Amino acid sequence: GAGVSQTPSNKVTEKGKYVELRCDPISGHTALYWYRQSLGQGPEFLIYFQGTGAADDSGLPNDRFFAVRPEGSVSTLKIQRTERGDSAVYLCASSLTSAGRDNEQFFGPGTRLTVL
Amino acid sequence: SQQGEEDPQALSIQEGENATMNCSYKTSINNLQWYRQNSGRGLVHLILIRSNEREKHSGRLRVTLDTSKKSSSLLITASRAADTASYFCAMLISSGSARQLTFGSGTQLTVLP
Repeated sequence: GAGVSQTPSNKVTEKGKYVELRCDPISGHTALYWYRQSLGQGPEFLIYFQGTGAADDSGLPNDRFFAVRPEGSVSTLKIQRTERGDSAVYLCASSLTSAGRDNEQFFGPGTRLTVL
Repeated sequence: SQQGEEDPQALSIQEGENATMNCSYKTSINNLQWYRQNSGRGLVHLILIRSNEREKHSGRLRVTLDTSKKSSSLLITASRAADTASYFCAMLISSGSARQLTFGSGTQLTVLP
């Protein structure tokens, strides 16, 4: 079956620009997570959705970052006024439900964002 | 900030040898999961061990968990060149309503043919 997909796979933008990153979770998965991974580091949590609502956005670094999931499926991570420090791989994951005991998460291939 | 630490940071072995990676963490957990990552892209789930389990096997993988020491190890037996990748431990912490994974810093494994 289809896994988590993310588009674009690579995004190069200029400092100060606005970008949108898209995530398509596994069909039927109600929980969706965004992580950010800098070079040589493990992924760090940004935000997660249970259904349409953001259940925990404590990992968003500042108010330039925002994410939506209006219909409880596809999610878009939005970054305003990009800075060079935003350059990283942005990973999306989904799980059947966030309430499950194990909460096994399945990851997409990521979007590599480069801010020049 | 990373809540998990892995060692070694890098490991280089010959094909056929066993590879052991260790993970230490700071908080109480529901479970601990190990992931593999090739070339800095998508993470592949390898194995999950619950907080009430001490050892688990899957194919050539063996995971142990010691909650008293807040540590876990991943053993890959009879390694192959194709096992070359970064390996991360990830904790599902048992604090409040948090459901996100907290990742370690990763071990870069190189298996030489």
